[in-house]
Amino acid sequence: QSALTQPASVSGSPGQSITISCTGTSSDVGGYNYVSWYQQHPGKAPKLMIYDVSNRPSGVSNRFSGSKSGNTASLTISGLQAEDEADYYCSSYTSSSTQVFGGGTKLTVL
Amino acid sequence: QVQLVQSGAEVKKPGASVKVSCKASGYTFTSYGISWVRQAPGQGLEWMGWISAYNGNTNYAQKLQGRVTMTTDTSTSTAYMELRSLRSDDTAVYYCARLMGDYYGSGIKPYYFDYWGQGTLVTVSS
Repeated sequence: QSALTQPASVSGSPGQSITISCTGTSSDVGGYNYVSWYQQHPGKAPKLMIYDVSNRPSGVSNRFSGSKSGNTASLTISGLQAEDEADYYCSSYTSSSTQVFGGGTKLTVL
Repeated sequence: QVQLVQSGAEVKKPGASVKVSCKASGYTFTSYGISWVRQAPGQGLEWMGWISAYNGNTNYAQKLQGRVTMTTDTSTSTAYMELRSLRSDDTAVYYCARLMGDYYGSGIKPYYFDYWGQGTLVTVSS
């Protein structure tokens, strides 16, 4: 199972919005509505930010939103804040009943 | 509150084995599965597999088949991940995570991970 494709880095200024893409295939992202997104600060464990494409866990800011079109899922962060600077990973359920992660995207808040 | 507490850092020689533990609390252990995810230094996340704490069924990533074994001890609400024949490229932080998904008779359809352990650094070096 190949890793999902994410941009290596994105950046934005405080208050702006950014979008991170996550491209897979019809055997993972495109075939199921089970894409999740994780935020990871340096030296910390990942934190669930979005599940089932667009659902936010309790406690996650509504500045974070998710969507999907075809084989590509997206994470949008609006009203960018300094604390959002982190690595972001997408993940998807696959037709083999496994999980596959994206390569990760480093978000820099300018 | 849900907590997953992992065992401490390990240093192993190539060819050896390592067993990492993950003690769960704050929920009914047998109602969920546990996944293991690793992260090599400076690299991304890699899914290793899952185990059902209900019946012990497992599903491992193809590249680790034959070298990894995941088990649980329901009496202590602890999950274990053993990796054998260690190589230098197994050096990584290993995480356990509670698995949310569709639980059916023989297994789990793993959808996402809602709680994570703090991570265990395993260093493989001669």
